[in-house]
Amino acid sequence: DSGVTQTPKHLITATGQRVTLRCSPRSGDLSVYWYQQSLDQGLQFLIQYYNGEERAKGNILERFSAQQFPDLHSELNLSSLELGDSALYFCASTRLNTGELFFGEGSRLTVL
Amino acid sequence: GQQLNQSPQSMFIQEGEDVSMNCTSSSIFNTWLWYKQDPGEGPVLLIALYKAGELTSNGRLTAQFGITRKDSFLNISASIPSDVGIYFCAGLYYGGSQGNLIFGKGTKLSVKP
Repeated sequence: DSGVTQTPKHLITATGQRVTLRCSPRSGDLSVYWYQQSLDQGLQFLIQYYNGEERAKGNILERFSAQQFPDLHSELNLSSLELGDSALYFCASTRLNTGELFFGEGSRLTVL
Repeated sequence: GQQLNQSPQSMFIQEGEDVSMNCTSSSIFNTWLWYKQDPGEGPVLLIALYKAGELTSNGRLTAQFGITRKDSFLNISASIPSDVGIYFCAGLYYGGSQGNLIFGKGTKLSVKP
C-alpha cells in the first residue's frame, strides 16, 4: 500500500461525457502528479501540483483540467470524452523533489 | 526536450535467467530511478541512484548510474515468475527552480516458468 488513494477504481462512461477522478496523496506529501497510461503504453505526464499551485504541465489536453485543494487532495477533470481517452489514470505523490514518487493504484476509465 | 531511450521494449526469458535493461539519453540527469509496474497496479520504486558511477543493489536487482550521467542500467539476477511486469526508468533533471522527471517507455518482462 503506497498510501496514495485514487477513486473511482473503474469508471465506464459514454463519449461526450465528463468525469472527475480523485486522488488523496500520502500524508505529508505536498506534490501531486497525474499520469495517463493507455494500453501497453508508457506513462504520459499530464500535470503536477505543489501545495495547491500548478507546478508543471505535460501533454495535457485542453479538455482536461486539474486542481489541488487546500487539504492537498487533487482532482482530474476530463470533459467531452472521446474513445481515445480510455486509459489508466495514475496519481502519484511525493514529499521531496527527488523523483521518488508513490503511485496510487490508478483509475481505469473506459469510454464507450 | 529531454528524452529517455529505454531498451529492450520487451523481453521473454526463462526462469532462472539473468536480465539486463538500460536507459540512455543525450541529456544529463541528476538522479536515475527504476520503477516496476505489476499487472493492474501502479508503478513502485525499486532503486534510486543519486551519484554518477553509483552502483546500488536491492536483493536480486542491481542498478548503476552511468559515469557520463546520461545512462543507467538495471540487472535482475536469477529471474523468477514474480519478476513479470513493466520496468520503467526515470531521470530527474533540474531546470530553473525545480526538478523535472522524465520516464522511459518501459521494458515489458515476461518470465516462463
